[in-house]
Amino acid sequence: DQQVKQNSPSLSVQEGRISILNCDYTNSMFDYFLWYKKYPAEGPTFLISISSIKDKNEDGRFTVFLNKSAKHLSLHIVPSQPGDSAVYFCAAISGTYKYIFGTGTRLKVLA
Amino acid sequence: GAVVSQHPSRVICKSGTSVKIECRSLDFQATTMFWYRQFPKKSLMLMATSNEGSKATYEQGVEKDKFLINHASLTLSTLTVTSAHPEDSSFYICSARGGAAEETQYFGPGTRLLVL
Repeated sequence: DQQVKQNSPSLSVQEGRISILNCDYTNSMFDYFLWYKKYPAEGPTFLISISSIKDKNEDGRFTVFLNKSAKHLSLHIVPSQPGDSAVYFCAAISGTYKYIFGTGTRLKVLA
Repeated sequence: GAVVSQHPSRVICKSGTSVKIECRSLDFQATTMFWYRQFPKKSLMLMATSNEGSKATYEQGVEKDKFLINHASLTLSTLTVTSAHPEDSSFYICSARGGAAEETQYFGPGTRLLVL
């Protein structure tokens, strides 16, 4: 039972354009969401997070949007850079601080 | 800040031996540490949650006698893979929580285990 889903396994975007990574969840009790970036053979790096009481959080080139009614969140990267090429995981938390990770989306930014 | 280290980064061992992986929070005290396993092209799978000074809580399907976790201090947790077999070969990643923003987990760089 995959409670957090990233339905796009991969995404290619031209450098300078916007990258939009999507994440859907099924558990309405999740109250905190995070995005991580991961390079091969490395641990995930925290990017940005959002509480369920907000619908948007912005940090530099990264913006996370949360639509609670649709149980959907997205990560926008603008402008995309070749160094952004990595696998992106969304994660959700419900109370116990235990993360539920999505399956990941591999982003490739083309120069 | 919020740096987590893991050692070793890579280990190759013979089947039947035990391997210990260390996870350290370098600049904060980690009240809780987590151990994950990642299979190729798959998501991170939580194996267990450990709180300093208490027994680890294992996820369903994870053998506690095979994957021994010790969280002896607020900056160190260890995962010991006992009597390792080739199917234990994987990428093991720890994370730690307990910094200023407690919802956020900070991940170590991971340990690649290859059991021959």
